[in-house]
Amino acid sequence: GQQLNQSPQSMFIQEGEDVSMNCTSSSIFNTWLWYKQDPGEGPVLLIALYKAGELTSNGRLTAQFGITRKDSFLNISASIPSDVGIYFCAGVSSGTYKYIFGTGTRLKVLA
Amino acid sequence: GAVVSQHPSRVICKSGTSVKIECRSLDFQATTMFWYRQFPKQSLMLMATSNEGSKATYEQGVEKDKFLINHASLTLSTLTVTSAHPEDSSFYICSARGTGVGYGYTFGSGTRLTVV
Repeated sequence: GQQLNQSPQSMFIQEGEDVSMNCTSSSIFNTWLWYKQDPGEGPVLLIALYKAGELTSNGRLTAQFGITRKDSFLNISASIPSDVGIYFCAGVSSGTYKYIFGTGTRLKVLA
Repeated sequence: GAVVSQHPSRVICKSGTSVKIECRSLDFQATTMFWYRQFPKQSLMLMATSNEGSKATYEQGVEKDKFLINHASLTLSTLTVTSAHPEDSSFYICSARGTGVGYGYTFGSGTRLTVV
């Protein structure tokens, strides 16, 4: 099935550092979402973006919907140990309601 | 609000048997439910979309006779893996979309299926 390109694939960072990850697609999406998944659990929604150029924050997390509608970015500021997990982007095309997930970014935070 | 319960969380079954996984929306009516499969260290791959009262729509490459989906009510969808084989071992996750809800669907906690 189709997947979105997400980078980096994995990151090892020190506690307190900022983190950036992005997701790119060859197709246009009308909605971008960012999820976090802990081991053995389902994904949990972090941020939803509905408009090109939109910049939305949720605590230390900030995500942007790219102007071209083919990409999105997620930033985490001042990382803490509980930020560890796998982060997935997901794009949604208008009318289908189906998600296309990114390949995931595995984040590890060193205390 | 918007809680999705998935059961069981883990199941081990013998090769050749069938396994049923339930996905329930606890505090909202789910007009559409989605079933995903996730292999270790990989992303979620959509298997099928089910709308209440109608047949599920399967993604290309997913065998509809092997993965039976029933969405008989607005709060319950089931996925039955028939004649399971070891290669069906995976993490299965459902998500649910309610009426009047944006695109931020709620996911269940997943079911780890191991076929021995």
